[in-house]
Amino acid sequence: SAVISQKPSRDICQRGTSLTIQCQVDSQVTMMFWYRQQPGQSLTLIATANQGSEATYESGFVIDKFPISRPNLTFSTLTVSNMSPEDSSIYLCSASLAVGETQYFGPGTRLLVL
Amino acid sequence: SQELEQSPQSLIVQEGKNLTINCTSSKTLYGLYWYKQKYGEGLIFLMMLQKGGEEKSHEKITAKLDEKKQQSSLHITASQPSHAGIYLCGAPISGSARQLTFGSGTQLTVLP
Repeated sequence: SAVISQKPSRDICQRGTSLTIQCQVDSQVTMMFWYRQQPGQSLTLIATANQGSEATYESGFVIDKFPISRPNLTFSTLTVSNMSPEDSSIYLCSASLAVGETQYFGPGTRLLVL
Repeated sequence: SQELEQSPQSLIVQEGKNLTINCTSSKTLYGLYWYKQKYGEGLIFLMMLQKGGEEKSHEKITAKLDEKKQQSSLHITASQPSHAGIYLCGAPISGSARQLTFGSGTQLTVLP
């Protein structure tokens, strides 16, 4: 199994600012993902964080708004840029060790944008 | 795109009662995950089903995958207040993908 931690656990931010969320896995994983969960909604995939190359974004999400880094096999960051109140959500990272393996999730980062 | 529909959306049961949550896919299922989420927190992995007809149990929770019906069910026996939370089903978006699409969730309340 993989244990995933996220920082910060929650934050309150002002409109127009940016926040970087960190995701750390306790073992090397092949793929990492970032999801968003808006209030009262289910999870939506933002992007796949690729080690050593640019992230792969899902429809409706762009790199300028959600830049992602993945410098190694255990760590990734997601930045929420130029925030607006609509960005208020829980942001979750997940990881799986290999194809067909269980996908584990971090505890999430609760973001409130005023 | 694949869609997962969960039913019921919410469920209130008396402690000790059994309950079932269903997850139906609009397309072929290439495996099915069940997670539990406490309000405002991360997802706790419950079970992963990969083959049609597969059934797994953990403590008082049993999940089954019916590939032909493109459906999975989660059954809790003798529910307890600790079972309360949001149950989410998730499925790979394709046979080779590890990215997951999720159902809208089932909010379970267990009354003591």
